Amino acid sequence: GESVGLHLPTLSVQEGDNSIINCAYSNSASDYFIWYKQESGKGPQFIIDIRSNMDKRQGQRVTVLLNKTVKHLSLQIAATQPGDSAVYFCAVRPSGYSTLTFGKGTMLLVSP
Amino acid sequence: DAGVIQSPRHEVTEMGQEVTLRCKPISGHDYLFWYRQTMMRGLELLIYFNNNVPIDDSGMPEDRFSAKMPNASFSTLKIQPSEPRDSAVYFCASSKTGASSYGYTFGSGTRLTVV
Repeated sequence: GESVGLHLPTLSVQEGDNSIINCAYSNSASDYFIWYKQESGKGPQFIIDIRSNMDKRQGQRVTVLLNKTVKHLSLQIAATQPGDSAVYFCAVRPSGYSTLTFGKGTMLLVSP
Repeated sequence: DAGVIQSPRHEVTEMGQEVTLRCKPISGHDYLFWYRQTMMRGLELLIYFNNNVPIDDSGMPEDRFSAKMPNASFSTLKIQPSEPRDSAVYFCASSKTGASSYGYTFGSGTRLTVV
C-alpha cells in the first residue's frame, strides 16, 4: 500500500513570511498528488493538485513542487496570512487506484 | 451546489447504542467515500462506493460497522453496537469520474462521541 509521511507536525511562521510544508511518499508509481487544507471544525478543502508528468504548479499564493526522484512533495504559501492557519494534508493516488491516501497532516500556525 | 451534506454534525451516544451517520453527496458525483479521522491515525478510508456499489470495504474496522448506499443521493454509515474507541470525526466525500481533478469534496463531518 501507499504510505505518506510529513516531516514536521507543526510549523509556526510570522504573517507575511513564506511557508513551506513538506510531504514524502513511498510508491514511485503514484501519479496524482493533492494538497488539502483543514480548518478547525471543517472538512478538508482542496487547495491545489499536480500530476506526475509535471514538477511544478502554481495557484493563487500557493505553489506545489513535485520531485519524483526522491518521492517528495511540497506546498509553498507566499505571504502567509493568519487565515492560512490550518492543518495541511498531502494526498497521493497510486496509479490505477481510485482512492487517495492521506498524510497525517502539518499544522500551520501564523502569528500576526 | 450545497456541497456534500452530512448529518448529524455532532452525536453523543452511550456505549452499546446504535449510531447512524448520513451523507448526501454532490449531485452527479459517482464516487462516495467514508473516512474516519482521529489524532492518532489521521484520515483512514473506511469504505467507498462507485455508482452506489461498495467497491472496497477493507478499511471497515469490524463487523460492527456497516455502510449502505441505496441510491445516488444518500449513504449511511452504521455502528452497532458502538464503543468508546469509535469516537472520532467521520467524513463523507464524493468525486466524479472524468472531472478535471481526482480530488474529493468533503462534507463537514460528524463528530461522534461514545461514552
